[in-house]
Amino acid sequence: QKEVEQNSGPLSVPEGAIASLNCTYSDRVSQSFFWYRQYSGKSPELIMSIYSNGDKEDGRFTAQLNKASQYVSLLIRDSQPSDSATYLCAVNEITSYDKVIFGPGTSLSVIP
Amino acid sequence: DGGITQSPKYLFRKEGQNVTLSCEQNLNHDAMYWYRQDPGQGLRLIYYSQIVNDFQKGDIAEGYSVSREKKESFPLTVTSAQKNPTAFYLCASTFPSDRNGYTFGSGTRLTVV
Repeated sequence: QKEVEQNSGPLSVPEGAIASLNCTYSDRVSQSFFWYRQYSGKSPELIMSIYSNGDKEDGRFTAQLNKASQYVSLLIRDSQPSDSATYLCAVNEITSYDKVIFGPGTSLSVIP
Repeated sequence: DGGITQSPKYLFRKEGQNVTLSCEQNLNHDAMYWYRQDPGQGLRLIYYSQIVNDFQKGDIAEGYSVSREKKESFPLTVTSAQKNPTAFYLCASTFPSDRNGYTFGSGTRLTVV
């Protein structure tokens, strides 16, 4: 069974620090990878997507992908209290390109 | 503005009762999905539909039913056969070939009373 794994946390970082969120997946031929942010009681919001090995930067967010290691990460620079949320890693299933598998999420708390 | 609208925001179900959750999108997306989220857990796929009048079971379809009579609408019925329906239900949509991920509705929180 295809799986997406994340540390559940909570991960606590001080304001201004770099938060590092990690995700591993079991399907070696997965193609597309996504990070969603979910505030408590709200629905997930897409913040990053990555398809190729390497880094992809968008503002304070950097997604990193290593397909050989089946590993994807999200770095948040200059963390703010408003970044406190649960971050869901999601991976595209190769047999059905529009069916995505979600990880359980990592809870991030940014301490002022 | 385009988006996905879920209603109601909160729903209470009595034992043995069927209830229907609404999901409407004006994004012209072809694919629509229903997920269930339990406290502290990830999203589990209930049903999905890639085109009108066609849908497939997800990982936890038992006790649920859907229809896709219109492109913009994908209602979910929680039947009395679903023994533990209390959860946060999320509807999502995308273009099947879209690599930009899903757009989610605001969710419906269902509670059994």
